[in-house]
Amino acid sequence: EPEVTQTPSHQVTQMGQEVILRCVPISNHLYFYWYRQILGQKVEFLVSFYNNEISEKSEIFDDQFSVERPDGSNFTLKIRSTKLEDSAMYFCASSPDRGRTGELFFGEGSRLTVL
Amino acid sequence: AQTVTQSQPEMSVQEAETVTLSCTYDTSESDYYLFWYKQPPSRQMILVIRQEAYKQQNATENRFSVNFQKAAKSFSLKISDSQLGDAAMYFCAVGARNTDKLIFGTGTRLQVFP
Repeated sequence: EPEVTQTPSHQVTQMGQEVILRCVPISNHLYFYWYRQILGQKVEFLVSFYNNEISEKSEIFDDQFSVERPDGSNFTLKIRSTKLEDSAMYFCASSPDRGRTGELFFGEGSRLTVL
Repeated sequence: AQTVTQSQPEMSVQEAETVTLSCTYDTSESDYYLFWYKQPPSRQMILVIRQEAYKQQNATENRFSVNFQKAAKSFSLKISDSQLGDAAMYFCAVGARNTDKLIFGTGTRLQVFP
């Protein structure tokens, strides 16, 4: 069964460093998302992406964050200069149609630890 | 703004018994959807069940069913004949037709004892 895969599973970085989290969505899906979960808190929406552009973003998704789909298969989240509060589990998701009404398919997550 | 509250951080149930997980939400949207997602340990979140708010009939998927009380903004999940494989974190979420984002609750960790 097709799955969303994420790499790395865990990354440790120093504050101020750039981090790229990678995701391979399910191949025939058109909509892509990033969510994050700070330990003990809610899963929060970061951004949605469709047709090679951001469809919607939350207030969390500031200028430090960017997303792209560089090669038609990978979907990446870049954090330009990490802060301590960026430590969280980051989940990628994809869906064949707009996830607002349907099912999102999530990856296992990438745990980011910022020291 | 939309909010989701799951007031039970942890629940436990004996195998083969029934358990109900609570969820309340708040939304100003008229066209919205409600979801329960399950996240087993070290695995992906997967959709358990989905309910369109405009439908009065409660959604059912095999052993999983919901009790949707629209006026009370309540959306509880009932798991019947619980199995060891049901042990997971369960997240309630709400989405609206005019936005991509799902709003999640903090989750309820369900333990299933043999």
